[in-house]
Order: sequence, then C-alpha cells, then structure tokens
Amino acid sequence: KAGVTQTPRYLIKTRGQQVTLSCSPISGHRSVSWYQQTPGQGLQFLFEYFSETQRNKGNFPGRFSGRQFSNSRSEMNVSTLELGDSALYLCASMGSGAPYNEQFFGPGTRLTVL
Amino acid sequence: AQKVTQAQTEISVVEKEDVTLDCVYETRDTTYYLFWYKQPPSGELVFLIRRNSFDEQNEISGRYSWNFQKSTSSFNFTITASQVVDSAVYFCALSGNSNSGYALNFGKGTSLLVTP
Repeated sequence: KAGVTQTPRYLIKTRGQQVTLSCSPISGHRSVSWYQQTPGQGLQFLFEYFSETQRNKGNFPGRFSGRQFSNSRSEMNVSTLELGDSALYLCASMGSGAPYNEQFFGPGTRLTVL
Repeated sequence: AQKVTQAQTEISVVEKEDVTLDCVYETRDTTYYLFWYKQPPSGELVFLIRRNSFDEQNEISGRYSWNFQKSTSSFNFTITASQVVDSAVYFCALSGNSNSGYALNFGKGTSLLVTP
C-alpha cells in the first residue's frame, strides 16, 4: 500500500506570494490533517479534513486555508506569505477502521520564504 | 487544553546503552490517546506506538518498550541496546477523542544521538 505523498517536496517563495501544497493520503483513508513544523514553535496542528469537510482547526490566521477533494486528496494554501511561514509542512492521513486515530505522515514539503 | 512536555531536549549515548525518553502530559479528557513518533534526518515522522487511556498495559517490542502510568500522567519510551540508526528526534504526542478532535498535540521533541 502506498504511503502518504506530498508535493512539491521543496518550495522557495518570496514574501507576499501565495503557495499551494498538495497531499495524497493512503488509499482508503478519508481524514487528512496538516501540521506546521518550525524550530521555534515545534509541530503545530493546522487543520483536519474528513470527507471534504473541515472537521477541526488549529490556531492559525486566516491566511492558512485548505480543502479536500472527493478522492480525499487535500491541498493547503497560504496567502500573503511571511518570512515566519518558512517551515516543514507535514500532512497526515488517518483511516476510519481500528486503530482509529493512528495518523501516518508524509515526507513533508519544506517551504522557504525569502 | 492538552499539553505534552518532553523535558529532555537532547540525549547523547554510546551504542549499546539503554536510553529512556520521558513524556508527561496534561488533558481533561477521560478518553485520550498517546503516541510516540520518530523523526530521522530525512524529516518524515514515523509512527512507533499508540496507547489508549484505558489501556495501561505496558509493552515491549524488540528493543523498544513503553511505560504508561496514568497516576503520574507519564508515557515514557525506552530503547534497549541503542544503535546508531536510532539517532533521531523522538516526539511524544497526545490526541483527544471524537468529541475533542483527533488533532495531535506534540511535545517539543527529544533529540537522541547514538555514537559508535
């Protein structure tokens, strides 16, 4: 079974631009969560989508948004990029069978904002 | 609110030594889940173990063992006979149930360096 895939793996943007990251969950998994990892703040939860609906949201500004498609693939978007948005963005997928909330992570997208 | 504390920032051991990584958590949920993840230099988080709040049975899996104690809100992880390949950052995480959401709350991580 293929794991979680994320594209692109690396991205360089400049302040003020916007960026879209993509995540394909494990086949059959309907939940996709996004996390931001920075040296200062560590790993922080952004949001979770389940069956195309946002089920949970972390404490991030509205510049961070996401969506999920009918095939469970998810995208997250960051608008008006700031230097502090430089981070590793990790996507995790979760199945609905037991063990219910075991989350499997993708390799991440490393975003650098210049 | 949920909180995970990993007091050890960095640990350095020599190969074949045993090492224990500490994790203390706070939650108001009566049903919750605890996890350990490993993050090697490649960056991908690798799932190691999950424990339910109602299952305090400790487990040994190969060189890994876990000690879950609700009375002290601790979920410690031990590597026996450490190897160089165990070098990574280890994260303890906590999540709630269907009522509070399944978002993982991570500790700051413990960087483990195993030298030959």
